[in-house]
Amino acid sequence: DVVMTQSPLSLPVTLGQSASISCRSTQGLLHSDGRTYLSWFHQRPGQSPRRLIYKISDRDSGVPDRFSGSGSGTDFTLKISRVEAEDVGVFYCMQGTHWPLTFGGGTKVEIK
Amino acid sequence: QVQLVESGGGVVQPGGSLRLSCVASGFTLSDSGMHWIRQAPGKGLEWVALKRSEETNLEHYTDSVKGRFTISRDNSRNTLFLQMNSLRPEDTAVYYCGRDFWGGPNYWGQGTLVTVSS
Repeated sequence: DVVMTQSPLSLPVTLGQSASISCRSTQGLLHSDGRTYLSWFHQRPGQSPRRLIYKISDRDSGVPDRFSGSGSGTDFTLKISRVEAEDVGVFYCMQGTHWPLTFGGGTKVEIK
Repeated sequence: QVQLVESGGGVVQPGGSLRLSCVASGFTLSDSGMHWIRQAPGKGLEWVALKRSEETNLEHYTDSVKGRFTISRDNSRNTLFLQMNSLRPEDTAVYYCGRDFWGGPNYWGQGTLVTVSS
C-alpha cells in the first residue's frame, strides 16, 4: 500500500500568517492516464471532512483562494495564506492513484 | 444541491452484521463513483471502499475488509449501501459516504457510528 506521511503533526499558527503542510508518498502518484490524484481535506472539530484541493492544485467549488496546492511525484504541499480562525482543525492528504486509496495521518492546525 | 445522508449504524457484537445506507439527493447516484470512508474514535481517516459509476460498476476495497464488506447500489432509491459482515472491534468507527470527483470524495455525508463490542 502507498503510505502517505504528513508533516508536521501539529502546526501552531498566527492569525494572518501563512502555513504549509507537507505530504510525501512512498510511490509516485502519476496515474497512467497522465493525471496525479492527490487531494487535500480539512476537518473541523465535530464535523465531516471537506475537500479543498484535488489533482494537486485544483480548488473545489467554494474553496477560498487562500488555499493552494503544489508538488509532483511523491512530494506535495498545501499552503494556507492569511490563516483565519475557521482554519483550525485537521488537514489530511489523500492519494487516489493506487489501490487501496490511502490518507495521510493528519496535521492538526491550531491558533497560537 | 448535493446531499448525502447515512444511516444504519449502531451497536453490534463481534461477528455480527450491519447494513449501512447512504441516501443521495441532488444528483443521480448511478452516474457517480461512490466511496465509503471511516474514522475510528479520535483517529484519522481510512478509505474503505469505492463503487464506480454504472459505466463500469467496478468495486474496490481496502484489504482489511475484503471478503467481509460489500458495497452496492439501488438506483431506484438513489441509495448506496455497505453490507458489513463478520464485524470486528477494530471496525468501530464513524462511516462516511462520499461522491467521487477526480480521485476523491468532494461531497460527504454527516456519518453514522458503528460500534462493535460485546
